[in-house]
Amino acid sequence: AQSVAQPEDQVNVAEGNPLTVKCTYSVSGNPYLFWYVQYPNRGLQFLLKYITGDNLVKGSYGFEAEFNKSQTSFHLKKPSALVSDSALYFCAVRALTGGFKTIFGAGTRLFVKA
Amino acid sequence: DTAVSQTPKYLVTQMGNDKSIKCEQNLGHDTMYWYKQDSKKFLKIMFSYNNKELIINETVPNRFSPKSPDKAHLNLHINSLELGDSAVYFCASSQDTSGIEQYFGPGTRLTVT
Repeated sequence: AQSVAQPEDQVNVAEGNPLTVKCTYSVSGNPYLFWYVQYPNRGLQFLLKYITGDNLVKGSYGFEAEFNKSQTSFHLKKPSALVSDSALYFCAVRALTGGFKTIFGAGTRLFVKA
Repeated sequence: DTAVSQTPKYLVTQMGNDKSIKCEQNLGHDTMYWYKQDSKKFLKIMFSYNNKELIINETVPNRFSPKSPDKAHLNLHINSLELGDSAVYFCASSQDTSGIEQYFGPGTRLTVT
């Protein structure tokens, strides 16, 4: 069975500091991994994906994520946080085989303080 | 141009009523989805259609019935609404069944009183 864990309900960071939002996953076989962001009263927006290749993937708004197969993690990072990055972040996973379902984590709320 | 649109944005109704939510995408995608987001922001897949064919049907009460008249539209009809149906319902689409890079609509906030 597929699952995604986001161990932190909330992450607080000061503007200009680096940020990390954690994600671990469990899936049979190789995964597709994604990060989405949700601003208040909006739908989710795609940030980035890992399919194959380089473990460090870059996405929208200066975000990047590192795929670590041995630790089954896909943490979201940004070198310098902005107040406008404050939002709800979802990690998601999809197995390459065995169905078409994408599983979303519970979400992590990011607060960036000026 | 809005990529994925949903109507209505807000829906307030009484228990026992029947209501529908409509979704349209103008991206030319083959696959569309319905998700439910509860009050704790947990997002769960309900249904998925690929080119008008149902491919995901999660453990959802029979009161929920999706319909896809063509690959650009996916509607959700809910019969005999219950208090627990109150949530935000999101429609989404992706190029194909790989689900890579899903585009979400703005959501429909359903409140059942």
